[in-house]
Amino acid sequence: KAGVTQTPRYLIKTRGQQVTLSCSPISGHRSVSWYQQTPGQGLQFLFEYFSETQRNKGNFPGRFSGRQFSNSRSEMNVSTLELGDSALYLCASSFLPVGTGVNEQFFGPGTRLTVL
Amino acid sequence: AQSVTQPDIHITVSEGASLELRCNYSYGATPYLFWYVQSPGQGLQLLLKYFSGDTLVQGIKGFEAEFKRSQSSFNLRKPSVHWSDAAEYFCAVETQGGSEKLVFGKGTKLTVNP
Repeated sequence: KAGVTQTPRYLIKTRGQQVTLSCSPISGHRSVSWYQQTPGQGLQFLFEYFSETQRNKGNFPGRFSGRQFSNSRSEMNVSTLELGDSALYLCASSFLPVGTGVNEQFFGPGTRLTVL
Repeated sequence: AQSVTQPDIHITVSEGASLELRCNYSYGATPYLFWYVQSPGQGLQLLLKYFSGDTLVQGIKGFEAEFKRSQSSFNLRKPSVHWSDAAEYFCAVETQGGSEKLVFGKGTKLTVNP
Protein backbone atom coordinates (compact mmCIF):
# COMPACT_ATOMS: atom_id res chain seq x y z
CA LYS A 1 0.00 0.00 0.00
CA ALA A 2 1.45 3.33 -1.01
CA GLY A 3 2.04 5.82 1.76
CA VAL A 4 1.10 9.46 2.00
CA THR A 5 2.67 11.47 -0.78
CA GLN A 6 3.32 15.19 -0.79
CA THR A 7 4.30 17.38 -3.69
CA PRO A 8 6.44 19.22 -4.21
CA ARG A 9 9.11 18.16 -1.70
CA TYR A 10 10.89 21.49 -1.82
CA LEU A 11 9.75 24.99 -2.70
CA ILE A 12 11.40 28.37 -2.71
CA LYS A 13 9.19 31.44 -2.89
CA THR A 14 9.55 35.13 -2.23
CA ARG A 15 7.59 37.29 0.16
CA GLY A 16 4.16 38.26 -1.07
CA GLN A 17 3.77 35.28 -3.38
CA GLN A 18 1.29 32.49 -2.82
CA VAL A 19 1.90 28.76 -2.77
CA THR A 20 -0.14 25.58 -3.10
CA LEU A 21 0.94 22.30 -1.56
CA SER A 22 -0.58 18.94 -2.42
CA CYS A 23 -1.18 15.80 -0.39
CA SER A 24 -2.38 12.39 -1.55
CA PRO A 25 -3.53 10.24 1.35
CA ILE A 26 -3.27 6.50 1.70
CA SER A 27 -5.90 4.77 -0.40
CA GLY A 28 -9.13 4.47 1.58
CA HIS A 29 -8.27 7.20 4.07
CA ARG A 30 -10.76 10.03 4.18
CA SER A 31 -9.18 12.27 6.80
CA VAL A 32 -6.30 14.56 5.93
CA SER A 33 -4.62 16.83 8.44
CA TRP A 34 -1.96 19.46 7.87
CA TYR A 35 0.77 20.51 10.27
CA GLN A 36 3.43 23.18 10.22
CA GLN A 37 6.79 22.32 11.72
CA THR A 38 9.33 25.00 12.62
CA PRO A 39 12.34 24.90 14.94
CA GLY A 40 10.83 27.53 17.20
CA GLN A 41 7.20 26.48 17.43
CA GLY A 42 7.50 22.77 16.79
CA LEU A 43 4.60 20.90 15.24
CA GLN A 44 1.43 22.93 15.02
CA PHE A 45 -1.93 21.79 13.72
CA LEU A 46 -3.24 23.74 10.74
CA PHE A 47 -6.51 22.04 9.78
CA GLU A 48 -8.20 18.74 9.19
CA TYR A 49 -10.49 17.68 6.37
CA PHE A 50 -12.79 14.68 6.33
CA SER A 51 -14.97 13.80 3.37
CA GLU A 52 -14.33 17.21 1.77
CA THR A 53 -15.37 19.12 4.91
CA GLN A 54 -13.08 21.06 7.17
CA ARG A 55 -13.63 19.64 10.64
CA ASN A 56 -11.11 21.60 12.62
CA LYS A 57 -8.82 24.57 12.18
CA GLY A 58 -5.81 25.53 14.22
CA ASN A 59 -4.78 29.00 15.28
CA PHE A 60 -3.38 30.29 12.00
CA PRO A 61 -4.29 33.45 10.05
CA GLY A 62 -6.73 33.37 7.17
CA ARG A 63 -3.83 33.37 4.71
CA PHE A 64 -3.66 29.65 5.34
CA SER A 65 -6.44 27.74 3.67
CA GLY A 66 -7.11 24.27 2.40
CA ARG A 67 -9.51 22.04 0.63
CA GLN A 68 -10.17 18.39 0.01
CA PHE A 69 -11.37 16.79 -3.17
CA SER A 70 -13.77 13.92 -3.66
CA ASN A 71 -10.86 11.49 -4.05
CA SER A 72 -9.60 12.63 -0.61
CA ARG A 73 -6.58 14.41 -2.04
CA SER A 74 -5.99 17.68 -0.28
CA GLU A 75 -4.33 20.97 -1.03
CA MET A 76 -3.29 23.75 1.24
CA ASN A 77 -2.70 27.29 0.10
CA VAL A 78 -0.75 30.08 1.70
CA SER A 79 -1.29 33.54 0.28
CA THR A 80 0.86 36.63 0.73
CA LEU A 81 3.82 34.65 2.01
CA GLU A 82 5.86 35.98 4.90
CA LEU A 83 9.38 35.05 5.97
CA GLY A 84 7.93 33.31 9.01
CA ASP A 85 6.02 30.88 6.82
CA SER A 86 9.27 29.07 6.06
CA ALA A 87 8.69 25.62 7.50
CA LEU A 88 8.22 21.95 6.85
CA TYR A 89 4.57 21.33 6.06
CA LEU A 90 3.44 17.84 6.93
CA CYS A 91 0.33 16.10 5.79
CA ALA A 92 -1.17 13.12 7.60
CA SER A 93 -3.99 10.82 6.66
CA SER A 94 -6.19 8.47 8.64
CA PHE A 95 -9.20 6.28 8.05
CA LEU A 96 -11.34 7.94 10.72
CA PRO A 97 -11.53 11.59 11.73
CA VAL A 98 -8.93 12.57 14.28
CA GLY A 99 -10.39 12.68 17.76
CA THR A 100 -12.68 9.70 17.34
CA GLY A 101 -10.25 7.46 19.11
CA VAL A 102 -8.51 4.22 18.18
CA ASN A 103 -7.13 6.00 15.18
CA GLU A 104 -3.71 6.29 13.67
CA GLN A 105 -2.35 9.05 11.50
CA PHE A 106 0.19 8.31 8.82
CA PHE A 107 2.48 11.14 7.86
CA GLY A 108 3.97 12.08 4.54
CA PRO A 109 7.57 13.23 4.09
CA GLY A 110 6.58 16.87 4.06
CA THR A 111 7.12 19.86 1.81
CA ARG A 112 10.00 22.13 2.78
CA LEU A 113 8.95 25.72 2.02
CA THR A 114 11.55 28.47 2.06
CA VAL A 115 10.39 32.06 1.79
CA LEU A 116 13.03 34.60 0.77
CA ALA B 1 -6.06 23.43 26.85
CA GLN B 2 -4.32 20.18 26.16
CA SER B 3 -0.55 20.21 26.29
CA VAL B 4 2.37 17.84 26.03
CA THR B 5 5.72 18.46 27.68
CA GLN B 6 8.95 16.79 26.77
CA PRO B 7 11.40 18.12 29.36
CA ASP B 8 14.56 17.06 27.56
CA ILE B 9 15.38 18.96 24.39
CA HIS B 10 18.51 16.94 23.65
CA ILE B 11 19.80 13.64 25.02
CA THR B 12 23.08 11.92 24.25
CA VAL B 13 23.64 8.26 24.96
CA SER B 14 26.28 5.72 24.03
CA GLU B 15 25.44 2.89 21.70
CA GLY B 16 24.26 -0.09 23.71
CA ALA B 17 23.11 2.02 26.64
CA SER B 18 19.52 2.15 27.81
CA LEU B 19 17.25 5.06 26.93
CA GLU B 20 14.30 6.78 28.53
CA LEU B 21 12.59 9.78 26.97
CA ARG B 22 10.14 11.61 29.17
CA CYS B 23 6.70 12.83 28.23
CA ASN B 24 4.06 14.49 30.42
CA TYR B 25 0.63 15.48 29.22
CA SER B 26 -2.15 17.68 30.44
CA TYR B 27 -5.60 16.47 29.50
CA GLY B 28 -8.72 16.00 31.58
CA ALA B 29 -10.09 12.81 30.10
CA THR B 30 -8.42 9.54 29.18
CA PRO B 31 -5.90 10.41 26.52
CA TYR B 32 -4.83 8.56 23.44
CA LEU B 33 -1.04 8.77 23.44
CA PHE B 34 1.53 8.34 20.73
CA TRP B 35 5.26 8.39 20.19
CA TYR B 36 6.59 9.35 16.77
CA VAL B 37 10.13 9.41 15.44
CA GLN B 38 11.47 11.74 12.79
CA SER B 39 14.76 11.22 11.00
CA PRO B 40 16.39 14.23 9.32
CA GLY B 41 14.49 15.30 6.22
CA GLN B 42 11.76 12.76 6.84
CA GLY B 43 8.18 12.76 7.99
CA LEU B 44 6.95 11.23 11.23
CA GLN B 45 6.83 7.50 11.81
CA LEU B 46 4.64 6.02 14.51
CA LEU B 47 6.61 4.05 17.11
CA LEU B 48 3.75 3.04 19.39
CA LYS B 49 0.39 4.11 20.73
CA TYR B 50 -1.73 3.74 23.84
CA PHE B 51 -5.48 3.72 23.77
CA SER B 52 -6.52 1.59 26.73
CA GLY B 53 -5.76 -1.64 28.55
CA ASP B 54 -2.26 -2.73 29.44
CA THR B 55 -0.30 0.34 30.46
CA LEU B 56 2.96 -1.04 29.05
CA VAL B 57 2.86 -0.94 25.28
CA GLN B 58 5.31 -2.40 22.83
CA GLY B 59 6.24 -0.68 19.61
CA ILE B 60 8.46 -1.08 16.63
CA LYS B 61 12.26 -1.08 16.65
CA GLY B 62 12.37 -2.47 20.20
CA PHE B 63 10.74 0.54 21.85
CA GLU B 64 8.21 0.40 24.66
CA ALA B 65 6.33 3.00 26.66
CA GLU B 66 4.51 2.98 29.96
CA PHE B 67 1.38 4.98 30.67
CA LYS B 68 1.15 6.23 34.26
CA ARG B 69 -2.13 8.00 34.88
CA SER B 70 -1.13 9.16 38.36
CA GLN B 71 1.90 10.95 36.96
CA SER B 72 0.31 12.00 33.65
CA SER B 73 3.31 10.48 31.95
CA PHE B 74 4.00 8.31 28.95
CA ASN B 75 7.75 7.70 28.90
CA LEU B 76 9.48 5.95 26.04
CA ARG B 77 12.17 3.36 26.74
CA LYS B 78 14.59 1.15 24.91
CA PRO B 79 16.95 -1.26 26.68
CA SER B 80 19.83 -0.98 24.21
CA VAL B 81 20.19 1.91 21.79
CA HIS B 82 21.54 1.46 18.27
CA TRP B 83 23.30 4.15 16.26
CA SER B 84 20.36 4.13 13.83
CA ASP B 85 18.07 5.33 16.63
CA ALA B 86 19.57 8.81 16.39
CA ALA B 87 16.61 11.01 15.45
CA GLU B 88 14.06 13.34 16.98
CA TYR B 89 11.25 11.86 19.05
CA PHE B 90 7.84 13.39 19.54
CA CYS B 91 5.19 12.54 22.08
CA ALA B 92 1.62 13.40 21.13
CA VAL B 93 -1.86 13.25 22.61
CA GLU B 94 -5.04 12.85 20.60
CA THR B 95 -8.04 14.52 22.15
CA GLN B 96 -11.75 14.15 21.69
CA GLY B 97 -12.62 17.75 22.44
CA GLY B 98 -11.44 21.12 21.26
CA SER B 99 -10.28 22.11 17.84
CA GLU B 100 -6.76 20.77 17.96
CA LYS B 101 -7.03 17.04 17.84
CA LEU B 102 -3.40 15.96 17.86
CA VAL B 103 -1.11 17.96 20.14
CA PHE B 104 2.63 17.37 19.99
CA GLY B 105 5.42 17.98 22.42
CA LYS B 106 8.41 20.03 21.28
CA GLY B 107 10.46 16.90 20.69
CA THR B 108 13.63 15.35 22.08
CA LYS B 109 16.64 15.05 19.84
CA LEU B 110 18.62 11.88 20.45
CA THR B 111 22.31 11.64 19.67
CA VAL B 112 24.00 8.24 19.85
CA ASN B 113 27.74 8.08 20.45
CA PRO B 114 29.69 5.09 19.11
